[in-house]
Amino acid sequence: RKEVEQDPGPFNVPEGATVAFNCTYSNSASQSFFWYRQDCRKEPKLLMSVYSSGNEDGRFTAQLNRASQYISLLIRDSKLSDSATYLCVVKRPDQFYFGTGTSLTVIP
Amino acid sequence: DAGVIQSPRHEVTEMGQEVTLRCKPISGHNSLFWYRQTMMRGLELLIYFNNNVPIDDSGMPEDRFSAKMPNASFSTLKIQPSEPRDSAVYFCASSFGGNEKLFFGSGTQLSVL
Repeated sequence: RKEVEQDPGPFNVPEGATVAFNCTYSNSASQSFFWYRQDCRKEPKLLMSVYSSGNEDGRFTAQLNRASQYISLLIRDSKLSDSATYLCVVKRPDQFYFGTGTSLTVIP
Repeated sequence: DAGVIQSPRHEVTEMGQEVTLRCKPISGHNSLFWYRQTMMRGLELLIYFNNNVPIDDSGMPEDRFSAKMPNASFSTLKIQPSEPRDSAVYFCASSFGGNEKLFFGSGTQLSVL
């Protein structure tokens, strides 16, 4: 079983839409959780960490459910510049495990 | 800060040739990771170092792959001999213990013909 599983998409949404991505992880000992963003032909970059209490950064909201081993990312009011691949990442304890990513295209 | 620096950006080689990828982590970072990315398998961890010592190389595909970190500011990933199935983007990343943010280099696009 993969460490991290994501729906690969693609998600094609109009500008202004709200879109949600989900991710599950297999090892309950995972300690830290993140969403990374990867633009086409570029390196992954940290978008935001994910905390048990949930956290928000502008239009982005991340949630963690440890009991269900489930992580989510909500993007509100989608912009064209949000088009990218979103990678779910878990850390345990020194290694980072990446999902295969969910592709998002925001359409004008 | 210059960030994580990888070279070359692109490498095209023929099957059987030796390939060496290079990485300079961010100064002060004590963990270094080598990843391989393909469409089918996503980002796979090959090996990681902590304080220049290899901690886990279980992701290295086979004996054709080797990695070294002779000092805190330089690491290499070598493939000898290379095969077409090694074609992928190879990323180097570094982090500082206690800081959970992982910084990636721009990657090396490897094509083995």
